[in-house]
Amino acid sequence: QVTLRESGPALVKPTQTLTLTCTFSGFSLSTSGMCVSWVRQPPGKALEWLALIDWDDDKYYSTSLKTRLTISKDTSKNQVVLTMTNMDPVDTATYYCARISGSYSVFDYWGQGTLVTVSS
Amino acid sequence: DIQMTQSPSSLSASVGDRVTITCQASQDISNYLNWYQQKPGKAPKLLIYDASNLETGVPSRFSGSGSGTDFTFTISSLQPEDIATYYCQQYDNLPPEYTFGQGTKLEIK
Repeated sequence: QVTLRESGPALVKPTQTLTLTCTFSGFSLSTSGMCVSWVRQPPGKALEWLALIDWDDDKYYSTSLKTRLTISKDTSKNQVVLTMTNMDPVDTATYYCARISGSYSVFDYWGQGTLVTVSS
Repeated sequence: DIQMTQSPSSLSASVGDRVTITCQASQDISNYLNWYQQKPGKAPKLLIYDASNLETGVPSRFSGSGSGTDFTFTISSLQPEDIATYYCQQYDNLPPEYTFGQGTKLEIK
């Protein structure tokens, strides 16, 4: 059974760095073809893809946010970490981690999401 | 970047109605198009992948079609449990990049 769970602070101040952890089970990120990605959703708005890390430790980022994002993995702990620098109130959103399989194509399993509010 | 235009943004229909949502890509994406259902307070759920393939366990009243730039998502007979927001999502795997549509909020009339 594949599960993913996001963890991190519920509240961050403007200009701070956000660190989120995705802890997963039911698959290995060392298996060829497996990837974990981050997607966010501001309240009442659409989904936005942020970053992806694959089984080979290749990393890919949203063009619009790549200067602020870093994704990494700890295969032994089954964890993927996303950091986002210089947080702003417009970054207030629910942040999801999701598994991608099948040639980087589909988000087939999702975590429940974690709401991050950016406010002073 | 590829842009996805999804319409309508909201839709009200009756139980048993046929419901159609469209998604248009700003350039040819072949069949690299997926559809998700998101219920309030929940994570998205994959329904259709590669434009027309039904994900395992998803009811057959859901279907998808299209290729190139124009795609359609259909619910053949709307059920009360189908109330949700639906998103299309395109992918490019060289390098990986993903764009979601703006969503269609489906309500019961």
